[in-house]
Amino acid sequence: KQEVTQIPAALSVPEGENLVLNCSFTDSAIYNLQWFRQDPGKGLTSLLLIQSSQREQTSGRLNASLDKSSGRSTLYIAASQPGDSATYLCAVDSGAGSYQLTFGKGTKLSVIP
Amino acid sequence: DGGITQSPKYLFRKEGQNVTLSCEQNLNHDAMYWYRQDPGQGLRLIYYSQIVNDFQKGDIAEGYSVSREKKESFPLTVTSAQKNPTAFYLCASERGAGYTFGSGTRLTVV
Repeated sequence: KQEVTQIPAALSVPEGENLVLNCSFTDSAIYNLQWFRQDPGKGLTSLLLIQSSQREQTSGRLNASLDKSSGRSTLYIAASQPGDSATYLCAVDSGAGSYQLTFGKGTKLSVIP
Repeated sequence: DGGITQSPKYLFRKEGQNVTLSCEQNLNHDAMYWYRQDPGQGLRLIYYSQIVNDFQKGDIAEGYSVSREKKESFPLTVTSAQKNPTAFYLCASERGAGYTFGSGTRLTVV
């Protein structure tokens, strides 16, 4: 059964700092991996989707990488801003009839002005 | 704009009462999902549906029921058999290019 781990569970950084969030998964046979953002009491907002054949995806100040062989993905946030404060969730779609995402428990990010 | 609409945003349930959470999408997605989110436990799958008139149990289906009579709609009923229903419920849909989530319904037992 696929398991997804996110480290660290919480992170506090000063504004302007570049940072990396980590996600690891136990089964490398994945269909895709998706990073989400969740603000308190809100739903999930999709940030980046990486297909299994891709190595990375970029959107603005965000860059996500995928290394299937080692079971790892990273989310890089450049020049962090207070508005980036949220919980970031990594989710793995194992495809092949699994019909569900496996989520990590998230990293709670606080960007201090 | 296309998206997923969940209602209500907040819902209160009395002991022994059934309540229904609404989920509607206009993305023309075939698959729809219900997840439950509890603090410290991440998201867990309750039910999913790949096509109209068909649905499957997820990891924590006990005490819940669903229907899929229309492609756009996937309501979730929390029955009195669900002993600990207080949680945040999220609906999602997908069509092979990533998942889209609704804004959630917070259910509280009073």
